[in-house]
Amino acid sequence: DIQMTQSPSSLSASVGDRLTITCRASQSISSHLNWYQQKPGKAPKLLIYTASSLQTGVPSRFSGSGSGTDFTLTISSLQPEDFATYFCQQSYSIPGTFGQGTRLEIK
Amino acid sequence: EVQLVESGGGLIQPGGSLRLSCAASGFTVSNNYMSWVRQAPGKGLEWVSLIYSGGSTFYAESVKGRFTISRDTSENTVDLQMNSLRVEDTAVYYCARGRPNLLVFDCWGQGVLVTVSS
Repeated sequence: DIQMTQSPSSLSASVGDRLTITCRASQSISSHLNWYQQKPGKAPKLLIYTASSLQTGVPSRFSGSGSGTDFTLTISSLQPEDFATYFCQQSYSIPGTFGQGTRLEIK
Repeated sequence: EVQLVESGGGLIQPGGSLRLSCAASGFTVSNNYMSWVRQAPGKGLEWVSLIYSGGSTFYAESVKGRFTISRDTSENTVDLQMNSLRVEDTAVYYCARGRPNLLVFDCWGQGVLVTVSS
């Protein structure tokens, strides 16, 4: 199975900050990388698919980039509703493995 | 409105069986890739099973031979039959639609808790 590794596992930031979360695949997955946001007690929500495509309805402050094995999720200006846990996931092959998550907390 | 609603969770003893159901509205499950994804308490996400629009099924190694995914086209539901349950199967189970790719989950249910404990 393809292993997905996110960094950092957690971070603290302030409203208005720009931040980047990194995800690395154990082998090349082309652009088959997705990002999800999950808030406590809620289902995950798709933010970005195929590395850089913004899901309908997701604010443009979210962006994704990368290909091969290294990917990033960037939030250009953090808003209060962005404090959540973020997961990357590869959709290159079954099983669609997820990263361990990055917990974003308010500083 | 596109929506998924799971049901059937609960407390079950190790070795027992449970059947989860996912009711879809706003789209037809038989025309889509449908998956079950689970999340153990305080842990990350784990893909469990997938059923293709053509009917083929796939399973994570951790559940292969114990879980069976199926769909009911008349009810527009996707089910997960879970047998020989283990303590480590304890999790919130989510039903999810795969679109535009079979493993890109664009729509999720609210989740249902399965607790395996004696």
